[in-house]
Formats: sequence, structure tokens, C-alpha cells
Amino acid sequence: NAGVTQTPKFRVLKTGQSMTLLCAQDMNHEYMYWYRQDPGMGLRLIHYSVGEGTTAKGEVPDGYNVSRLKKQNFLLGLESAAPSQTSVYFCASSYGMGGNQPQHFGDGTRLSIL
Amino acid sequence: GQQVMQIPQYQHVQEGEDFTTYCNSSTTLSNIQWYKQRPGGHPVFLIQLVKSGEVKKQKRLTFQFGEAKKNSSLHITATQTTDVGTYFCADKANAGGTSYGKLTFGQGTILTVHP
Repeated sequence: NAGVTQTPKFRVLKTGQSMTLLCAQDMNHEYMYWYRQDPGMGLRLIHYSVGEGTTAKGEVPDGYNVSRLKKQNFLLGLESAAPSQTSVYFCASSYGMGGNQPQHFGDGTRLSIL
Repeated sequence: GQQVMQIPQYQHVQEGEDFTTYCNSSTTLSNIQWYKQRPGGHPVFLIQLVKSGEVKKQKRLTFQFGEAKKNSSLHITATQTTDVGTYFCADKANAGGTSYGKLTFGQGTILTVHP
């Protein structure tokens, strides 16, 4: 029962470096999401996907890019990391449209930008 | 965009006391979901409320959706140390807006339970 798997779990970057966070789900879910969680601010949606080959912007998309080439994978990219992107990143997936079905979350990636 | 305000931000209780967190919106909610996040963990879905005035129970947890669908609450009876964590409400935006189909999470209520 893998569910939603995120890699890596931890990462430290220097300002200006780039990296990709990987999310994989084995539940055949159509919908996938990337959130960031900062203290006192809940979960904020970065980008989401309603199916293979589709992506859309969420609440805080600036500085991030995403791709969904395969149904089971959703990648989040940071092109030029900034200290303001220090956060915990969660990937989630759902069978149906967000809000109609439960979202299943991965364990998160703790990212620090120095 | 649609926002839900969650109160209180923090709640400290003695084990055995009750706990309630509230989720309020200025606009009518389509439905509401509740999640729990243990310290260091990830959010886990608890329940979804859809109907006006709906009440659902899960053991010591009682979830309510307001009659006007503008607020919701989660009540825990006789808290235990296993209840520690952050409780989030999340609302689904209504159709017709750019946020349709996505969840907006409240800021969460952090619950600590003293044994």
C-alpha cells in the first residue's frame, strides 16, 4: 500500500540552484496537486493536474513549474530557488475532482534554501 | 478567492477535556472536508460534509455543517493524547469561479493534550 510517494524527503539547496520534486501515486487517480505548508498558513495550492498531460496554476504558482507526462507521476520544479521557497511540500492525489473526493497526501518534502 | 477562517489557532487541553474547532466562511460553502495532521506527518482525510445541518460522528469526534452552510465545527469529546495534531477544514469552491474543483484549506487549529 504505497499510496502517494514523494522523493526526496529532505533537501538543502543554495539560492539560485534548481531541483525537481517527484510525486508518484499507485491508486490510478486522475487528479494530483502540489501544496506548500508554512507555519500558520495552512496548505496553499501551488499547481494541480486534472489528468495526464494537463497542468494548471493554483494559489501560489510563481517560481514553480510542473509536468505530468504520466498519469502516476507529478513533478514540481524550482527553476532558481529562493529563500522564500523554504517550506514543506506536499503532493496529493484524488480519484475525483478536488472537494468531491478525499485527497491522499504523501509524507512531504522538507526543503531549505540557504 | 474563497476563504475559510479557522479558530482557534491553538488549543491546549488537559486529557479528558473536550475540544472544538470552528471553520467560518463569509460565503456559502459547497461542501467541507476535515483533515488531521499529526506532528511531523501529513494531512489525513477525516470526513466530508455536504448537506445543510449535517451531523456526522466518528467515535469521539462529531462534525457539524451549519444550516446556512457558512460554518462547520469539529468537536472531540474527552480528548486523549492520540488526538494531538493540527486539524484543518477545507472547502470546495463553488462552480463558476476560477477556483472550481479545488480545495482551499483553513489555517488549521493546533491541538495539544496534556496527560
